[in-house]
Amino acid sequence: GQQVMQIPQYQHVQEGEDFTTYCNSSTTLSNIQWYKQRPGGHPVFLIQLVKSGEVKKQKRLTFQFGEAKKNSSLHITATQTTDVGTYFCAGRGSGGSNYKLTFGKGTLLTVNP
Amino acid sequence: GAGVSQSPSNKVTEKGKDVELRCDPISGHTALYWYRQSLGQGLEFLIYFQGNSAPDKSGLPSDRFSAERTGGSVSTLTIQRTQQEDSAVYLCASSRDGPSYGYTFGSGTRLTVV
Repeated sequence: GQQVMQIPQYQHVQEGEDFTTYCNSSTTLSNIQWYKQRPGGHPVFLIQLVKSGEVKKQKRLTFQFGEAKKNSSLHITATQTTDVGTYFCAGRGSGGSNYKLTFGKGTLLTVNP
Repeated sequence: GAGVSQSPSNKVTEKGKDVELRCDPISGHTALYWYRQSLGQGLEFLIYFQGNSAPDKSGLPSDRFSAERTGGSVSTLTIQRTQQEDSAVYLCASSRDGPSYGYTFGSGTRLTVV
């Protein structure tokens, strides 16, 4: 079945440093989504990427979808303590009408003030 | 409601007992999903209800797990003869049906089997 791998598993940064998490799928995706889970909270939808090579920005967050639609990345510029949490990518397989997402294991980001 | 509601928020049960977890999705969301998250781990897919179609049960880990969705709205996840390895946070999510929608998650039910 479809697998989504995410690295790194953990990342600790000093406030102000940049952060990147990477996501790779074993199969071509129709789209990829990113979620953020604060400590003790539940995942919250951030964004969806659909097109090959797509780049989207949300303030200090930049999301990319690879040309082959099998990989994606999330980059945070100048991290803040409010960025702390686990970032998950989640992919939807191409074709068919089964819209369930396969989640990566997430990257836990901690930020030292 | 405004969000996805799950109950109970916490459940402690003895090994071997049955438990029922409830999810009330956002009104108008025809797709409903159950995931399981063990401590510090990712989200493990359990089951997916899509409108009136047969549910995708491919993620249920054993026949002790079952779920139903009544009237296209509220869903109940039942775990029979609970085991310690069933301890986890059970997350329900709903979405509009289609490939372009993100999930809205509930706050989860933390299940502890002792």
